[in-house]
Amino acid sequence: DQQVKQNSPSLSVQEGRISILNCDYTNSMFDYFLWYKKYPAEGPTFLISISSIKDKNEDGRFTVFLNKSAKHLSLHIVPSQPGDSAVYFCAANTGNQFYFGTGTSLTVIP
Amino acid sequence: KAGVTQTPRYLIKTRGQQVTLSCSPISGHRSVSWYQQTPGQGLQFLFEYFSETQRNKGNFPGRFSGRQFSNSRSEMNVSTLELGDSALYLCASCREAVATYNEQFFGPGTRLTVL
Repeated sequence: DQQVKQNSPSLSVQEGRISILNCDYTNSMFDYFLWYKKYPAEGPTFLISISSIKDKNEDGRFTVFLNKSAKHLSLHIVPSQPGDSAVYFCAANTGNQFYFGTGTSLTVIP
Repeated sequence: KAGVTQTPRYLIKTRGQQVTLSCSPISGHRSVSWYQQTPGQGLQFLFEYFSETQRNKGNFPGRFSGRQFSNSRSEMNVSTLELGDSALYLCASCREAVATYNEQFFGPGTRLTVL
């Protein structure tokens, strides 16, 4: 049972434009959400996180939005750069385990 | 500071064999978690070890097992390999047991191919 879902396997965006990656979850017990970025032949690296008590968190070009009523999480990248091309995983934590989505492959076209 | 290391990076086995994968966490980290990544399934949680004890386990058959040593290094074993076990196996370390707000640091993974 996939408790964290990323319904878009891939996304292509022009350089300089906004990239929006989406994530839905089913478990209302999740209290911490994260985004990870993964390049080929490397492990995922932490990008940005948000606590369930917030609805927005920013870090430079990256902003994560949380809509608890809709059980929806999104990652905005502005402006998108070619180096952002990677697979992005959203993850959620119940307090003792991380649950990951299936990933969205982002391609930023120069 | 060295990151999480996993050995071997690539492995080819045949059905029915068994395999052991190794993970060395970041120095000072006491928790090691294992994940299986397959296309379309994302990262599926296998188990977490903390202070040499299995703290949490995902929904995988008993063919998948692990252990952790006193220096926090961990090994994962898969017995009686099946074709469907072909995947990227990722190890992640945490300073303490996995909890809210803890950050996991991932290794590069071991690519297992079962023929």
